[in-house]
Amino acid sequence: QSALTQPPSASGSPGQSVTISCTGTNSDVGGYDYVSWYQQHPDKAPKVIIYEVSKRPSGVPDRFSGSRSGNTASLTVSGLQAEDEADYYCSSYASSNNFVFGGGTKLTVL
Amino acid sequence: QVQLVQSGAEVKKPGASVKVSCKASGYTFTNYGITWVRQAPGQGLEWMGRISADKGNTNFAQKLQGRVTMTTDTPTSTAYMELRSLRSDDTAVYYCARARGWNYVDYWGQGTLVTVSS
Repeated sequence: QSALTQPPSASGSPGQSVTISCTGTNSDVGGYDYVSWYQQHPDKAPKVIIYEVSKRPSGVPDRFSGSRSGNTASLTVSGLQAEDEADYYCSSYASSNNFVFGGGTKLTVL
Repeated sequence: QVQLVQSGAEVKKPGASVKVSCKASGYTFTNYGITWVRQAPGQGLEWMGRISADKGNTNFAQKLQGRVTMTTDTPTSTAYMELRSLRSDDTAVYYCARARGWNYVDYWGQGTLVTVSS
């Protein structure tokens, strides 16, 4: 199972919006609603911020939103804040009882 | 509150095996699965596999088939991941996480660093 494709880096200034893409196939991202996004700060465990493509767990700010078009999912962070600087990973259920992560995107707040 | 507490760091020689434990608390252990994820130094997340805590059904990443075993001990709410025939590229932080079916993982352990070095 190949990893999902994410841009290695993204950046934005405080208050701006940034969108991170996650491209898969119709056997994973495009085929199931089980797309999730994780935020990881240095030397910390990841934290889920989006599940089922666009749902936010309780406690996650509504500045984080998810969407999908075809085989590409997207994470948008609006109103960027300094604490949003982290690595972001998408993931998806894949056919035949597999699960796959994206390669990760390092978000820099300028 | 939900907690997953993993065993401590390990240093192993190539060819050896390692077994990492993950003790769960704060929820009914058998109502959720446990997923194992690893992260090599400076690299991304890699799904290793998952186990259903009630029936012990397992699914593994194809590249680890034959080298990995995942088990649970329901009386102690503990999950285990054993990786055999270790190689240097198995050096990574290994995480356990509570699985919401095949959907997503919501709580993570603190991670266990496994270093494979001669």
